[in-house]
Amino acid sequence: AQKITQTQPGMFVQEKEAVTLDCTYDTSDQSYGLFWYKQPSSGEMIFLIYQGSYDEQNATEGRYSLNFQKARKSANLVISASQLGDSAMYFCAMRGDNFGNEKLTFGTGTRLTIIP
Amino acid sequence: KAGVTQTPRYLIKTRGQQVTLSCSPISGHRSVSWYQQTPGQGLQFLFEYFSETQRNKGNFPGRFSGRQFSNSRSEMNVSTLELGDSALYLCASSPWSPKETQYFGPGTRLLVL
Repeated sequence: AQKITQTQPGMFVQEKEAVTLDCTYDTSDQSYGLFWYKQPSSGEMIFLIYQGSYDEQNATEGRYSLNFQKARKSANLVISASQLGDSAMYFCAMRGDNFGNEKLTFGTGTRLTIIP
Repeated sequence: KAGVTQTPRYLIKTRGQQVTLSCSPISGHRSVSWYQQTPGQGLQFLFEYFSETQRNKGNFPGRFSGRQFSNSRSEMNVSTLELGDSALYLCASSPWSPKETQYFGPGTRLLVL
């Protein structure tokens, strides 16, 4: 079984500051993928960033970076220079490579609010 | 490239009715997955289709079913609706497998009265 834990239900951050959203995971699969999605109030899930379990470098996509610490089973999302448009729900998700685990398992999400 | 589209966007039904939701994946994508999102249970996997075959299924009752057509478009059906089926239903597509990055549609908001 796979499990994702996001311990921050909500966060308030000043505009232009950096923010770290926490995510820890548990899986028995040796190979797996970790994802972060953003969900604005409109409901659509927007893909932000992906990290493979065997990737040695931390993934980066523009202002987003993923702080991957495999031994600690953590995959925190870092948003640099936050903007008002970053206010949304953020979900950490994983998928395994073993048969039956090839689906996204999501955490409970973190509601991020950027303060002007 | 056009994104994943879902229709309808909003739906109101009464208990006992059935409903069909539609999803058109990104052009060229052949894997389609469905997820249910509720405030109480969060995001949960329903099923995944590839080449008109269901490859994986989540832990939902048999009232929830789906299918995929030869053009990769997918539908999901919920029969004998219950109040607890009120949710946002999200469809996601990926090129070949859910192992690849899944791209989501805007969702269908279903309200069961």
